[in-house]
Amino acid sequence: DAGVTQSPTHLIKTRGQHVTLRCSPISGHKSVSWYQQVLGQGPQFIFQYYEKEERGRGNFPDRFSARQFPNYSSELNVNALLLGDSALYLCASILSGFSYNEQFFGPGTRLTVL
Amino acid sequence: DQQVKQNSPSLSVQEGRISILNCDYTNSMFDYFLWYKKYPAEGPTFLISISSIKDKNEDGRFTVFLNKSAKHLSLHIVPSQPGDSAVYFCAAQPNQAGTALIFGKGTTLSVSS
Repeated sequence: DAGVTQSPTHLIKTRGQHVTLRCSPISGHKSVSWYQQVLGQGPQFIFQYYEKEERGRGNFPDRFSARQFPNYSSELNVNALLLGDSALYLCASILSGFSYNEQFFGPGTRLTVL
Repeated sequence: DQQVKQNSPSLSVQEGRISILNCDYTNSMFDYFLWYKKYPAEGPTFLISISSIKDKNEDGRFTVFLNKSAKHLSLHIVPSQPGDSAVYFCAAQPNQAGTALIFGKGTTLSVSS
C-alpha cells in the first residue's frame, strides 16, 4: 500500500506568484490536514478537510486556500506568495475527521520563494 | 505565544544510555499528547501518545510520562540507539472536534556509538 504522497517534492517561485501543492492520502483515509513547517519551527496547522468539507482552519491569511476532491486527494493553494511563505508544507492523512486518529505525514513539499 | 514548548533545541546521548526529551504546555484544555520523530527529507512519524487521563504510556524502548499539574511531559528512550538520532516533536491535541495538532519546535537528538 502506498503511503501519503505529495507533489511536487521541491518548488521555486518568485514573490507574487501562485502555487498549488498536491496530496494523496492513504487509501481508505477520508481526511487530510495541511501543515506549514518553517525552518527551526514545528509544523503549524493550516487546514483540515474531511469528506470534502473544511473542518478546521489555522491562523493563516486568506491567501491560503485548500480543497478536497471526491477521491479524498487535496490541493493547497497559496496566492500572492511572500518570502515568508518559504517552508516545508506537510500533508497528513487521517482515517476519519475525528480526534485521536493517528495522523500519517507525507514527505512534504519544499517551497522556496525568491 | 507558544502553547507547546520544547526548551532544549538539542540533546546528545551515548548509545545504550537513556535519552530524556522534555515538553511543557500552557493550555489545560489539551486532551491528548503525541510524540513524533522526523528524519531529514521525510515527514514526521508517529512514535507514541498519551491521553490526559493517564500519567504513563510505554511502548518498547519508548515511555511517555505526563504530569498534568506541572503541565509537563517527557519522552524516555531506553536504551538509546544511533538510529534514534532525529528531530523529536512534542504535539498536543485540544479537546474538540477536528484533528489539528499543535507542535513544539522540536529537539534534535544525537546518539553517538
